Amino acid sequence: ELKVEQNPLFLSMQEEKNYTIYCNYSTTSDRLYWYRQDPGKSLESLFVLLSNGAVKQEGRLMASLDTKARLSTLHITAAVHDLSATYFCAVDISDQGGKLIFGQGTELSVKP
Amino acid sequence: NAGVMQNPRHLVRRRGQEARLRCSPMKGHSHVYWYRQLPEEGLKFMVYLQKENIIDESGMPKERFSAEFPKEGPSILRIQQVVRGDSAAYFCASSTQDQPQHFGDGTRLSIL
Repeated sequence: ELKVEQNPLFLSMQEEKNYTIYCNYSTTSDRLYWYRQDPGKSLESLFVLLSNGAVKQEGRLMASLDTKARLSTLHITAAVHDLSATYFCAVDISDQGGKLIFGQGTELSVKP
Repeated sequence: NAGVMQNPRHLVRRRGQEARLRCSPMKGHSHVYWYRQLPEEGLKFMVYLQKENIIDESGMPKERFSAEFPKEGPSILRIQQVVRGDSAAYFCASSTQDQPQHFGDGTRLSIL
């Protein structure tokens, strides 16, 4: 059975600290996505990682993909309160595209 | 350019009633996906449709659930004879071929 596992599931950070969220998956895939979800809201696309070694950065967030290790990371640099949200990784396993398998989510809380 | 539109945003039904959830994809998108999110969990894939065709329904419960995406009009997720366990947030996403999925704001279904 395909599994996408994130850790940690809960993360309480202080502002200005750095941390990494890990996303491990159990099957071959070359497409991995990171989404952000605020409480009661929809999912906002953050990054699309399409190949081994892909690295993308946006502001204080940086995502990378290692398809050989089946691992993606989301690194947070110098956290600020506005980054508080739940972060999901999702793996596309469909040959036809589109079937996303989501991790459990990492609930991030950034405190002053 | 309007995003993915879902309605209603909130839906309350009594056990045994039918629930109909609607999703209008982004303009130009011909691929529609439905996901279910239980509290404190990630999204679970339900079904992937293109116009008038079900491409992958491997995540749909075998009974009571059906989905369609007609030639004209929105995609519909239909749940017959709802039970308490159907209470969840249902998200629709749309995309073009091989492009990231864009999510709607979801329909929060509550069963009394």
